[in-house]
Amino acid sequence: AQTVTQSQPEMSVQEAETVTLSCTYDTSESDYYLFWYKQPPSRQMILVIRQEAYKQQNATENRFSVNFQKAAKSFSLKISDSQLGDAAMYFCAYRSGSGANSKLTFGKGITLSVRP
Amino acid sequence: GAGVSQSPSNKVTEKGKDVELRCDPISGHTALYWYRQSLGQGLEFLIYFQGNSAPDKSGLPSDRFSAERTGGSVSTLTIQRTQQEDSAVYLCASSLAGHLSGNTIYFGEGSWLTVV
Repeated sequence: AQTVTQSQPEMSVQEAETVTLSCTYDTSESDYYLFWYKQPPSRQMILVIRQEAYKQQNATENRFSVNFQKAAKSFSLKISDSQLGDAAMYFCAYRSGSGANSKLTFGKGITLSVRP
Repeated sequence: GAGVSQSPSNKVTEKGKDVELRCDPISGHTALYWYRQSLGQGLEFLIYFQGNSAPDKSGLPSDRFSAERTGGSVSTLTIQRTQQEDSAVYLCASSLAGHLSGNTIYFGEGSWLTVV
């Protein structure tokens, strides 16, 4: 079974600075997808960024980028120029490339606070 | 609708009562998921529906939990004889066909269940 590990329960960053959130996963599959979701106090899970395992290039979405290390099974999220609105809980998630098992497996999440 | 809609948004019930939580997925999404999130915790998979296929019920914690999806659209999660440990946010999500595993999973705002 696939597992996703987020070992840091909390992190803090100064506004306008850069922060990196760590995630590792375990799988025997070669075809899969990785995601970072943001959950603000409103509870709405919002997709931040996604990465296809077959792509070597790291995904980027504006101030958000990932460092995908497939051999190390590592998938960290970098937030540049942090803003107060980035404060939230962030979840790393794995989804199998096999249609028979396409549910998302989540890590326990990390709470990010942004200091003004 | 424009997004995944869940009702009720908040529900307080007495221990031992049955509750029903409703999810209306994004129009055209054939895959539907239920997750549970306990306070400050990650997301726990409960059940997954894909079209007319038999649902993946592997995450249901006990036989007090059941879910159905009528007409391939709206889903109802039922918890019988509620216990205090059932208190959590129940999140519903949907996506395009499950075999297209790269498709993003979109979440509703959740139903916050409190058992007193």
